[in-house]
Amino acid sequence: QITLKESGPTLVKPAETLTLTCTISGFSLTTSGVAVGWFRQPPGRALEWLALIYWSDDRRHLKSTLTVAKDTSKNQVVLTMTNLDPVDTATYYCAHMSSTHTTGYFDFWGQGIPVTVSS
Amino acid sequence: DIVMTQSPLSLRVSPGEAASISCTSSESVMGSQGYSYLGWYVKKPGQPPQLLIYLSSSRASGVPDRFTGSGSGTEFTLKISSIEAEDAGIYYCMQVRQTPFTLGAGTKVEIK
Repeated sequence: QITLKESGPTLVKPAETLTLTCTISGFSLTTSGVAVGWFRQPPGRALEWLALIYWSDDRRHLKSTLTVAKDTSKNQVVLTMTNLDPVDTATYYCAHMSSTHTTGYFDFWGQGIPVTVSS
Repeated sequence: DIVMTQSPLSLRVSPGEAASISCTSSESVMGSQGYSYLGWYVKKPGQPPQLLIYLSSSRASGVPDRFTGSGSGTEFTLKISSIEAEDAGIYYCMQVRQTPFTLGAGTKVEIK
C-alpha cells in the first residue's frame, strides 16, 4: 500500500526558507520508473507543479528558488523553497509518479499540508 | 513551457446528463513511442487530487467507466457520461511530456 505524508511548518515569515518533508511508504525511490513530485494549490487558485525527483536522482524544478532531494535510507523527499513571499501561501502536496514510456502519471498523493507565509 | 488551456472553466450539469471538458496544449505532448502524455485529475474540497485518466485515454484503477478520455497531440477531451453527485469538483488536465509539468486552469463541475 503506497502512502505519502507531508510534514513541516505551517506558518513561515516572508523571506524565510521553507523545508517540507514527504515521508513515503509502500514503494522505494530506488526503483526504476519511480519519481516523487511536489505540487501546490494557493487558496482559490489552480494546482501548480513545483518539482520532481526521479529514482535516478535526476531532479527538476519550476524555479531556481526550489530544490528537491531524497534520502532513501529515511524514505523521505525534501522540498526546500527560499525567499518566501505571501503569494507562496498554499496547500502543498507530494505525489508518487510512475514515469515510464507507458505510464506517466501521479497516482498516489499525500493529504497535503497548508502553509501560510505571513509576518 | 507548454501552456495548457481548458474549456469551459465552469459547468453546471444535472444528474444523469453528460459533461465534456476540452484541453489544448500549446505544443504536442506526444512522445516518440506515440503516446500522448496527458492526464486528467479531479480535485475535491479537502481531498488531494485524484488521477482519472493517463496517456490521454487510459482509465486509472478504480475509476468508473463513465469517465472517458480521448485525443492526441494537442487536443484532448474528458467526457463524463451520466454524471453523478459525487463527480462535483475541479477537473484539471496535466501534461507530463516535459518539465516543467503544466496544468490547465481547471474546470469547475457543479451538479444542479
